[in-house]
Parts: sequence; C-alpha cells; structure tokens
Amino acid sequence: SQQGEEDPQALSIQEGENATMNCSYKTSINNLQWYRQNSGRGLVHLILIRSNEREKHSGRLRVTLDTSKKSSSLLITASRAADTASYFCAGKVQGAQKLVFGQGTRLTINP
Amino acid sequence: EAGVTQFPSHSVIEKGQTVTLRCDPISGHDNLYWYRRVMGKEIKFLLHFVKESKQDESGMPNNRFLAERTGGTYSTLKVQPAELEDSGVYFCASSQGLGPNYEQYFGPGTRLTVT
Repeated sequence: SQQGEEDPQALSIQEGENATMNCSYKTSINNLQWYRQNSGRGLVHLILIRSNEREKHSGRLRVTLDTSKKSSSLLITASRAADTASYFCAGKVQGAQKLVFGQGTRLTINP
Repeated sequence: EAGVTQFPSHSVIEKGQTVTLRCDPISGHDNLYWYRRVMGKEIKFLLHFVKESKQDESGMPNNRFLAERTGGTYSTLKVQPAELEDSGVYFCASSQGLGPNYEQYFGPGTRLTVT
C-alpha cells in the first residue's frame, strides 16, 4: 500500500500550546501537502512543501520534510480553539498526479 | 472566486440503486480529481481528468463506477448499482496545473449512504 501514516491519531492540548503532528509516507513524492478538515466539512488546503525543500512557514504553521526518512511534521504554534479539526498529510506521488493521504490526526484544543 | 462545489451534500440510497454525484471545479482548472473515504479508512484516489480526458483511472474500484467530464467542465461520478461498501464521503478536487508547485483544492464532499 502507498498510503501514509500519521502520528498521533489524536492529540489534545490546551489553548496557547504548540501542536506537532507527524506524517510518514511510503512512496516517492514531488511534494507534500497538509490539509485541515473541520467536522463534517471539506478539506482546506494549508500548506505545500516541495520535495527539494526542508522547511516552510505560513503564519502559525511550520512544516518540515525529510525525504530520506520519508516523513513530515506540521507544527501549529500558539494554538487556538478554532484550530480544533482533523489534519491530513498528502504526498503527491512522483510520476503521477494523485495524492496519497495519511489517516489523519484529530486535534482538540481545550480552552 | 468560487471554490470546488459538489452536489448533493448527502445522498441516501438503497442497495442496487443508482446515484450520480456532481463536481464543479474551480473555474479555469483543467485538472479534476475524485477521491473517496470509506468508513475508517484513508482518503483514497479514484481518478484524474485533464480537461475531458481520463488521465489516470487506477483508483477506480470496479466497473460499477463511471466518471465523466463531458466538455471538460463539471464532472459526474455514477455508481450503478450501489453496494453497501460504497458508503463513504466522495471528494472532488481541482488544480490549475500539474507538477510539484500546484495545490489540489478540495470540495466539501458528498456523503453517500447505501442502506
């Protein structure tokens, strides 16, 4: 299977703390994208990191990519209640256009 | 600018019936993708259109699923006849181009329940 894995599957922290989610994948990728899904809603694109990049920032988001370990991490700093959602990583398969998703991390921010 | 839209948002049908899902991509996006998430599993790729042509159908589960994109605008995904294991959320996505710099933007999904 080409599907990835995310760790942890669920994370609960206090508002203001930082949240780190990890993702591992099995196939070679061109880029890795992170998405957020609020309950019952669609996937919202957060950030894209190319395979030749190691780190990328966007607002309170920081993404790292280690292609040698086939892993990525998403850090959300100064978390807010509104960050409560499921977060998915998705690698764009090399030589194809499809995304291969991880199982997702359910993040809960407690006020 | 409108995002990817999908219709209906939720469909409940009986086993053996037919259902057609629709996706309208972001205007100007030639690339359209279908994905689905069945209960407890990961989101999985179904197929990819470039304009009206099927570029990659490797994820289509069986011949009960038929995707079309006549005219290269909106797309439909028909399930005929539906089975219980087809229940899940069907997502559509679109992208402006190919290659490592292009994001795929997803619609809200259609929740399909087969009873």
